Amino acid sequence: EAGVVQSPRYKIIEKKQPVAFWCNPISGHNTLYWYLQNLGQGPELLIRYENEEAVDDSQLPKDRFSAERLKGVDSTLKIQPAELGDSAVYLCASSFNSGANVLTFGAGSRLTVL
Amino acid sequence: DAKTTQPPSMDCAEGRAANLPCNHSTISGNEYVYWYRQIHSQGPQYIIHGLKNNETNEMASLIITEDRKSSTLILPHATLRDTAVYYCIVKGNTPLVFGKGTRLSVIA
Repeated sequence: EAGVVQSPRYKIIEKKQPVAFWCNPISGHNTLYWYLQNLGQGPELLIRYENEEAVDDSQLPKDRFSAERLKGVDSTLKIQPAELGDSAVYLCASSFNSGANVLTFGAGSRLTVL
Repeated sequence: DAKTTQPPSMDCAEGRAANLPCNHSTISGNEYVYWYRQIHSQGPQYIIHGLKNNETNEMASLIITEDRKSSTLILPHATLRDTAVYYCIVKGNTPLVFGKGTRLSVIA
């Protein structure tokens, strides 16, 4: 079974440029999460989807960040415009549902903003 | 969710048992203790979880004290591939909240 797939693995951009990250969760997993991980810190939740619906986006900086999960499968996280402080690893995870005990994480997308 | 306290780092000799402690003195009755680990350049990986009984699987054992205020993750025979950051998380009905974890270094 394929795990959670994320792309790109690495992205380097100039500040003020847009960037997008893509996530393909495990087949059949209804809940999808985007986490942000700064260097030396644990992951922090940005947004959680139940199928197509964003049910928890309180930590998503909505002035520059947006996310979507069309058809309740793949998801895209976008930053526009990127700032220097956005340099981090963006992790996607999925679970069967929000009450599931186990989250499966992807390898992450490492963003460097110059 | 209750907060957890873990030592920032630990060393363990290869082949020996690694015992990683976690304090969670404010844990509620319906909250579980979860352990994840994160190997360098990878996403976190689930290890084990428990409510109040000790648990064991192919990766590790989880020992929870009777008062549930602390727990210990045990890797019975640590290998170099177990070098990672280990996160202890107390979780109820909310998504996982990660702390800084314990950086375990397994030394040959």
